[in-house]
Amino acid sequence: GAVVSQHPSRVICKSGTSVKIECRSLDFQATTMFWYRQFPKQSLMLMATSNEGSKATYEQGVEKDKFLINHASLTLSTLTVTSAHPEDSSFYICSAPDRADIGSPLHFGNGTRLTVT
Amino acid sequence: GQQVMQIPQYQHVQEGEDFTTYCNSSTTLSNIQWYKQRPGGHPVFLIQLVKSGEVKKQKRLTFQFGEAKKNSSLHITATQTTDVGTYFCAGSRLTGGGNKLTFGTGTQLKVEL
Repeated sequence: GAVVSQHPSRVICKSGTSVKIECRSLDFQATTMFWYRQFPKQSLMLMATSNEGSKATYEQGVEKDKFLINHASLTLSTLTVTSAHPEDSSFYICSAPDRADIGSPLHFGNGTRLTVT
Repeated sequence: GQQVMQIPQYQHVQEGEDFTTYCNSSTTLSNIQWYKQRPGGHPVFLIQLVKSGEVKKQKRLTFQFGEAKKNSSLHITATQTTDVGTYFCAGSRLTGGGNKLTFGTGTQLKVEL
């Protein structure tokens, strides 16, 4: 089945530094990838939609300059948390559909637990 | 914006008991999907329902999509400890949503021996 690989799985960084999270589709091409944020015991909140070859689409309330998204190829999307602060500590998880049609099931990466000290 | 609510938020059952989680959307959906997230893990796709009134079964799991395509349910018969996790519904809006899924608030299931 379709596999999405996400790295790193855990990262601890100091306040003010930037952190890059990579999301790769291993056995399929993903023109679209979705980045979610999940707080403990809560649902997944969509942050942005990453589109290969074009700018990402951000959800309302998500700072574009804070969360930089780059969809460099059909198999790679990156999320960079810039100038991280403790309130950015969270579980970030990417996903991608393996088909282009609306409502295709999503394949999720294992997630990245970010802790900003 | 679109909201997808699930009840209950938490459910503790004894192994062998049945379990049901209900999902309600504020807007009509083109389809509904269900995911399971084990503690410490990532969501895993379970099933997709597309048609109004559709019912699908996977072993002990029964999924239903409402006639109005605004609600859904997941029923587990005779729960087992392997059923532990959080169950999320996720829906695509009928119009204007593209391929974007809105996840429900989730129901956390705990199964005790």
